[in-house]
Amino acid sequence: SYELTQAPSVSVSPGQTASITCSGDKLGEKDVCWYQQRPGQSPVLVIYQNMKRPSRIPDRFSGSNSGNTATLTISETQVMDEADYYCQAWDSSSVVFGGGTRLSVL
Amino acid sequence: EVQLVESGGGLVQPGRSLRLSCAASGFTFDDYAVHWVRQTPEKGLEWLSGISWDSANIGYADSVKGRFNISRDNAKNSLYLHMNSLRPEDTAFYYCAKGDYGDYVGGSFDYWGQGTLVTVSS
Repeated sequence: SYELTQAPSVSVSPGQTASITCSGDKLGEKDVCWYQQRPGQSPVLVIYQNMKRPSRIPDRFSGSNSGNTATLTISETQVMDEADYYCQAWDSSSVVFGGGTRLSVL
Repeated sequence: EVQLVESGGGLVQPGRSLRLSCAASGFTFDDYAVHWVRQTPEKGLEWLSGISWDSANIGYADSVKGRFNISRDNAKNSLYLHMNSLRPEDTAFYYCAKGDYGDYVGGSFDYWGQGTLVTVSS
């Protein structure tokens, strides 16, 4: 079965840029989306179709996808961005989620 | 405002059945696919099933195929998950999520409910 791999944790200082990666075989040939999940809350879509942002998501969030790696980039990271981030793609009519990356802002 | 509100979770014994419901509002329910996703600390997010706008296309994860059944009632703006032969490993937080397409395959989940906890234990 298809797998998406994410690093368990990433740390960033406030105001700096955070990069969270998601890897999978030929992932660049698929559409990837990203979800943010703050503690005790439901997931929120932050990036879809690799690089598009829902209107309610600040433009500090951006995405890219090429080769075997998709990347979620958060510029000017704020304390409120501290959360778990999950990538997601479709494979053979099934959804695959990455294991999630916990972003610490400190 | 889009809202998805799950209900029906609780404590159930292994081998028993449970039905989850999801009440949708704030969008044209019968234009979009809807899905069930569950979450545990150990396995993270796991997609379970999706159903197209007209119920014509349905998909299941291998882990629940044959045990779980998804259905929807567009007249009631509601989504359901019938769970049979429950196992302790089905213990999880269960979310319904709105797809951004009419077909269940493809796209992302642009709105999620708050979730309902299902605990399978004797």
